[in-house]
Amino acid sequence: AQSVTQLDSHVSVSEGTPVLLRCNYSSSYSPSLFWYVQHPNKGLQLLLKYTSAATLVKGINGFEAEFKKSETSFHLTKPSAHMSDAAEYFCVGPSDGNEKLTFGTGTRLTIIP
Amino acid sequence: DTAVSQTPKYLVTQMGNDKSIKCEQNLGHDTMYWYKQDSKKFLKIMFSYNNKELIINETVPNRFSPKSPDKAHLNLHINSLELGDSAVYFCASSQGRGLNYGYTFGSGTRLTVV
Repeated sequence: AQSVTQLDSHVSVSEGTPVLLRCNYSSSYSPSLFWYVQHPNKGLQLLLKYTSAATLVKGINGFEAEFKKSETSFHLTKPSAHMSDAAEYFCVGPSDGNEKLTFGTGTRLTIIP
Repeated sequence: DTAVSQTPKYLVTQMGNDKSIKCEQNLGHDTMYWYKQDSKKFLKIMFSYNNKELIINETVPNRFSPKSPDKAHLNLHINSLELGDSAVYFCASSQGRGLNYGYTFGSGTRLTVV
């Protein structure tokens, strides 16, 4: 069963406005969760990770995510979008059995000039 | 120095051929993975090795065979290539089983079968 669900397949925001990419997880415990970014025709880069040390996690390029157990969410945010943020974003969490990490289906972020 | 390197970056081949993709990591990680990314960007794990031992073997045609000569290398050999094998294949590595550390990915191998 899918451990993470990305709620939006595509998000468009104007440059300079806030970004919100949504991810819910399904787990009976506090899992390790990650966000990865993939720019066009590039590999996958780790943006940030949550491993139960602090619920608000800061990542690279001004992104951050908040782990909310009550909502089983791990949404990715950025206060002000930049053109270079246009990419595919993946929420990642452990699968059933906790033996491997499973990727969400991805959210394509488009930045409008 | 590239942390996880894959070769080749692009591979175009005809149906029925056999091909290999190589992966090497210089991070000292114990675990390596192969992921397949389809045309819809969906990423699915194929295999995982921990210290040369196969620990994850998803439902993948047996035309795909991974080989790990040592913990720094994980190669993927594909026999009798089919059109549906066209995808981007990513190699990754992690400390331990990756559940707390996440993965470091290579830049991918774009395989096109014609």
